[in-house]
Amino acid sequence: NAGVMQNPRHLVRRRGQEARLRCSPMKGHSHVYWYRQLPEEGLKFMVYLQKENIIDESGMPKERFSAEFPKEGPSILRIQQVVRGDSAAYFCASSRLDGADSPLHFGNGTRLTVT
Amino acid sequence: DAKTTQPTSMDCAEGRAANLPCNHSTISGNEYVYWYRQIHSQGPQYIIHGLKNNETNEMASLIITEDRKSSTLILPHATLRDTAVYYCIVRALSNDYKLSFGAGTTVTVRA
Repeated sequence: NAGVMQNPRHLVRRRGQEARLRCSPMKGHSHVYWYRQLPEEGLKFMVYLQKENIIDESGMPKERFSAEFPKEGPSILRIQQVVRGDSAAYFCASSRLDGADSPLHFGNGTRLTVT
Repeated sequence: DAKTTQPTSMDCAEGRAANLPCNHSTISGNEYVYWYRQIHSQGPQYIIHGLKNNETNEMASLIITEDRKSSTLILPHATLRDTAVYYCIVRALSNDYKLSFGAGTTVTVRA
């Protein structure tokens, strides 16, 4: 009964490189969410996706960040031309249904360090 | 969205029950109370949620007052592995996936 799987756990990138973060939701879950936790801050919502559709990306920075959840395969959070301020823990969550009665289950995150 | 207020920190003795309070006096009638915890270097772990009735699962119990303005999470027999930051979250009906993680309560279980 695997939970939400994220990889890699740790990712180091130099400024200007691209970062790709992967998330496989729990079995039977078709709703995926990405959150970011900056150092010493709480988790903040970034984007909500269902299969092949972006439902809400209001928490995503307008530039350099994109997310997808293809029909086959994991959800991908992509950060182009990373900067030091992108250093953070990125958490993916999934839920079986939408609605306030369906819990979000989180993975253990990818810790991105930009040097 | 309804705000929550939790104590900053609390200590608990191993093997004893831990009672974590949360105030949510502006909660609306159809908003759920959720509890998560985050152990250092891990992602938030879902614990339990409820609407009006008390709830119990294998991890904890959730007691919601009749007026729904406050709740208590009960860890029946705290272990050292329960040391974590505990978040009480009111989940709004609109944009209900935008969970608001505040400062939470840092719970330290001592042997």
